[in-house]
Amino acid sequence: NAGVTQTPKFQVLKTGQSMTLQCAQDMNHEYMSWYRQDPGMGLRLIHYSVGAGITDQGEVPNGYNVSRSTTEDFPLRLLSAAPSQTSVYFCASSYGIAGYTGELFFGEGSRLTVL
Amino acid sequence: GDSVTQMEGPVTLSEEAFLTINCTYTATGYPSLFWYVQYPGEGLQLLLKATKADDKGSNKGFEATYRKETTSFHLEKGSVQVSDSAVYFCALSSGAGSYQLTFGKGTKLSVIP
Repeated sequence: NAGVTQTPKFQVLKTGQSMTLQCAQDMNHEYMSWYRQDPGMGLRLIHYSVGAGITDQGEVPNGYNVSRSTTEDFPLRLLSAAPSQTSVYFCASSYGIAGYTGELFFGEGSRLTVL
Repeated sequence: GDSVTQMEGPVTLSEEAFLTINCTYTATGYPSLFWYVQYPGEGLQLLLKATKADDKGSNKGFEATYRKETTSFHLEKGSVQVSDSAVYFCALSSGAGSYQLTFGKGTKLSVIP
């Protein structure tokens, strides 16, 4: 039972480089989201999606793009990485619109360092 | 807007000690409340939840009661184990139409033998 799978687990980038963090879930969840975790800040929502073709911004969306072409996948793109984006990123999924309860299933995280 | 305030850590306890981690919230409407736990090197996982006032969530010996009058959802465990060492996050969901979970900053618990 894979659940939520994130890749890569670790990545080092130089300022200005681009990359995509991958997230896939096999639970047929409609809702998927990306959070970043920074020391002393808790988790902050970057973007979320309530179904294929539907995305919306969270609390800290600047510098990140998302798309949702399938139910299973929700990639997070950094177009031009900045040191302020050094963080641990978590993908999380849940049941969709009618069943959303706030009970999230998290991936193991992707640690990103931007030099 | 919604917010969650939980006690600052780190918290260090001896095995079998009593644990309380305080959590208070500010929200409109009738939020659902959650405690998530993050073990070292892992993602968060739901520990317990409560969806309405006076509900008590419980799991793995942990308990928390949804107190609307004091806007609190304190986490308690009567006898902690070394395996409970983790970071604990209090969180709320505002309810219908809101897809954002608001997290507290987390409290790191270390339990020593």
